[in-house]
Amino acid sequence: EVQLVESGGGLVQPGRSLRLSCAASGFTFDDYAMNWVRLAPGKGLEWVSGISWNSDHRDYADSVKGRFTISRDNAKNSLYLQMNSLRTDDTAFYYCAMVGRGEVSWGQGTLVTVSS
Amino acid sequence: EIVLTQSPDFQSVTPKQKVTITCRASQSIGSMLHWYQQKSDQSPKVLIKFASQSVSGVPSRFRGSGSGTDFTLTINSLEAEDAAAYYCHQSSNSTWTFGQGTKVEIK
Repeated sequence: EVQLVESGGGLVQPGRSLRLSCAASGFTFDDYAMNWVRLAPGKGLEWVSGISWNSDHRDYADSVKGRFTISRDNAKNSLYLQMNSLRTDDTAFYYCAMVGRGEVSWGQGTLVTVSS
Repeated sequence: EIVLTQSPDFQSVTPKQKVTITCRASQSIGSMLHWYQQKSDQSPKVLIKFASQSVSGVPSRFRGSGSGTDFTLTINSLEAEDAAAYYCHQSSNSTWTFGQGTKVEIK
């Protein structure tokens, strides 16, 4: 069974940084692209970033480009999101997610609150 | 960017009624379209994957159809527990997009 478990969320001041992690199990991690999606209070789902299986290709939403960096460690079956220069509108639940061969899976999310 | 447009934005429905939510893509996405249910304080739950494939544990009253640019989520015989926001999601390329969401309220 596919499992995705996020961690690293918390309360942080505007302008500061935070690193999210996602531990994957139950599938061959290095076979699949991985993504981060967020859900802000009162808003809809927003794709944040995606990374190819071998890290060669990375994409970002315009709202986070230049501030967030996605990475992965296939040896550790882990996905990361380095978030710099955080703003109050980055406050959201952050989910790691994958769409593979016949499979669509999301984690339970980790809450990031950006506030002074 | 592939834009997904859901309709309607809001629907108020009595129990046992049928609910239909549509999702239109700005270009063809094949069957790379998934549907989610999102309730307050819960993570999004996958209802339908790849346009029409059922998901283990999801009640059979949830059905998906369509391909290309036009997709439909049907909830047959709505139950009170189905009050939630519903989203479509396309994964046809490396930059995912989501519909704006449809809120379903129980009368």
